Amino acid sequence: RKEVEQDPGPFNVPEGATVAFNCTYSNSASQSFFWYRQDCRKEPKLLMSVYSSGNEDGRFTAQLNRASQYISLLIRDSKLSDSATYLCSTSGNTPLVFGKGTRLSVIA
Amino acid sequence: DTGVSQDPRHKITKRGQNVTFRCDPISEHNRLYWYRQTLGQGPEFLTYFQNEAQLEKSRLLSDRFSAERPKGSFSTLEIQRTEQGDSAMYLCASSSTEMNTEAFFGQGTRLTVV
Repeated sequence: RKEVEQDPGPFNVPEGATVAFNCTYSNSASQSFFWYRQDCRKEPKLLMSVYSSGNEDGRFTAQLNRASQYISLLIRDSKLSDSATYLCSTSGNTPLVFGKGTRLSVIA
Repeated sequence: DTGVSQDPRHKITKRGQNVTFRCDPISEHNRLYWYRQTLGQGPEFLTYFQNEAQLEKSRLLSDRFSAERPKGSFSTLEIQRTEQGDSAMYLCASSSTEMNTEAFFGQGTRLTVV
């Protein structure tokens, strides 16, 4: 089983839609969780950390479910500029590892 | 610029040649990671350092790959006897060791083996 698994998509959604991505992780000792955003031919950049209590940043909401070992990202009111690949990552007693990413295309 | 810096940005080399990439992390970060990324895939972990100690190297892709961080500051990744399959983006990232602190990436070195 891969350490971090994501649905690669692509998710094609209209502007204004709400879209959700899930990510599962295999290491129950994982302690830190992140969502990164990567634009085409650019380096990944942190979108948000994911805390046990869940957290929200504007249109973005991240949730952690330790019992089921998954994290989620919800994007509300999608914008064209949200089109990118979203990478899930975890670390803990292992180094920071990433999923393959989920590609999102927001369409006008 | 106080971000993570990688050099060179692009490298074209012939099969069989050796290449070396450099990464300068954010100065106060003591963790440094190397990843490889190919089209349509996420960053694939290769190795990482805490200060000058290499904590994990079993995931280096083959014995042709090696990395160093001799003084706990910059790091180098070397690929010996390059093969066409080594063509990829090589990403470096750095972080502190505090919990829940993210890693910051450099812009990467794009390697093309011809």
